Amino acid sequence: QKEVEQNSGPLSVPEGAIASLNCTYSDRGSQSFFWYRQYSGKSPELIMFIYSNGDKEDGRFTAQLNKASQYVSLLIRDSQPSDSATYLCARGRAAGNKLTFGGGTRVLVKP
Amino acid sequence: DVKVTQSSRYLVKRTGEKVFLECVQDMDHENMFWYRQDPGLGLRLIYFSYDVKMKEKGDIPEGYSVSREKKERFSLILESASTNQTSMYLCASSFPGQENTEAFFGQGTRLTVV
Repeated sequence: QKEVEQNSGPLSVPEGAIASLNCTYSDRGSQSFFWYRQYSGKSPELIMFIYSNGDKEDGRFTAQLNKASQYVSLLIRDSQPSDSATYLCARGRAAGNKLTFGGGTRVLVKP
Repeated sequence: DVKVTQSSRYLVKRTGEKVFLECVQDMDHENMFWYRQDPGLGLRLIYFSYDVKMKEKGDIPEGYSVSREKKERFSLILESASTNQTSMYLCASSFPGQENTEAFFGQGTRLTVV
């Protein structure tokens, strides 16, 4: 079992809809989680991080963490074509801020 | 703006060559990382450095080595390039100390070994 798992997609959503991305992890000791967005041919950029159970909102993005069920999700409200990208889920490791990434979910927002 | 700069966007090397990938950051970050990214596998950590001359193996260090002689510069070395090292290589840097510290990535080097 991979440490961090994501559905590779593509996840196709109409413009204006909510995109829902899920990520599961195997290490119960994981404390912090990151969502990165990566446009084709570009480097990953941080959208948000979460380390407490519950929801965290930042603009159109909401991250949700459920440590008991070992999953973290990302909601994108009012999806725009510019949100079309691959979204990478990562967990932080205590030592040295190393990140373990999932394989990424490709999102396509159709006008 | 934080800048992490990788010396090359594209490289083509021959099997058996010694290859150097260079990365420079301008934010005085202590931590620097080398990842490789392959389709469906996400980013995998090759090596990590938390200070000058300090290094630690990541998840897939075989066939690679690193050098950090100055705080701002972190080099990845492929001792004898092989075709299975064809990949996108990403350098990143961050401050130490907290699990929720953001990592900033360079633009990537796409390496092809023929």
